[in-house]
Amino acid sequence: NAGVTQTPKFQVLKTGQSMTLQCAQDMNHNSMYWYRQDPGMGLRLIYYSASEGTTDKGEVPNGYNVSRLNKREFSLRLESAAPSQTSVYFCASGRLVTGFNEQFFGPGTRLTVL
Amino acid sequence: KQEVTQIPAALSVPEGENLVLNCSFTDSAIYNLQWFRQDPGKGLTSLLLIQSSQREQTSGRLNASLDKSSGRSTLYIAASQPGDSATYLCAVRIGGATNKLIFGTGTLLAVQP
Repeated sequence: NAGVTQTPKFQVLKTGQSMTLQCAQDMNHNSMYWYRQDPGMGLRLIYYSASEGTTDKGEVPNGYNVSRLNKREFSLRLESAAPSQTSVYFCASGRLVTGFNEQFFGPGTRLTVL
Repeated sequence: KQEVTQIPAALSVPEGENLVLNCSFTDSAIYNLQWFRQDPGKGLTSLLLIQSSQREQTSGRLNASLDKSSGRSTLYIAASQPGDSATYLCAVRIGGATNKLIFGTGTLLAVQP
């Protein structure tokens, strides 16, 4: 099992460019999440998908869109990148079994917007 | 609004010491609390998960406790080793159907050989 995989690992964009961050999980989890991590602010939820076919906004959704392509894949798109979106982006998946639920994280994508 | 705080922000200890990391949250209506480890430049690795009905969980040299009423959790690391050096994050789960996590800002631990 690869767990949660993310591509790319590093990316540099110019202001106004667009890109899509890819995430896939092979654990058959129903829920998937996108977070950003900034110094001194911890991880903040951008968007999540509780199950295939559904997506919802998290704490900081502005400037982002998501697609739950299938049960395995959840992508995050920046339509017009801004320097404020320079961050480390983490994808996670989770299972919602009564009495036991936890999230598993990918290795992250380090994005710099110039 | 749920807020999660971790104190101290950074901690340095000599190898072999026992240590305690603290996590506090403002709203006691949580489903569970999870402790993670993050190595530099890496993702998060889940260490322990405590359900809201539990008081503690143990895994090897790690013991996590939860006091919902006071809004506190501790992560106890016994006989620390240099390999324990990392950032430790706690997160509380809110919202039953969505499994949303609210993270603290972490404690950076350095264990000196």
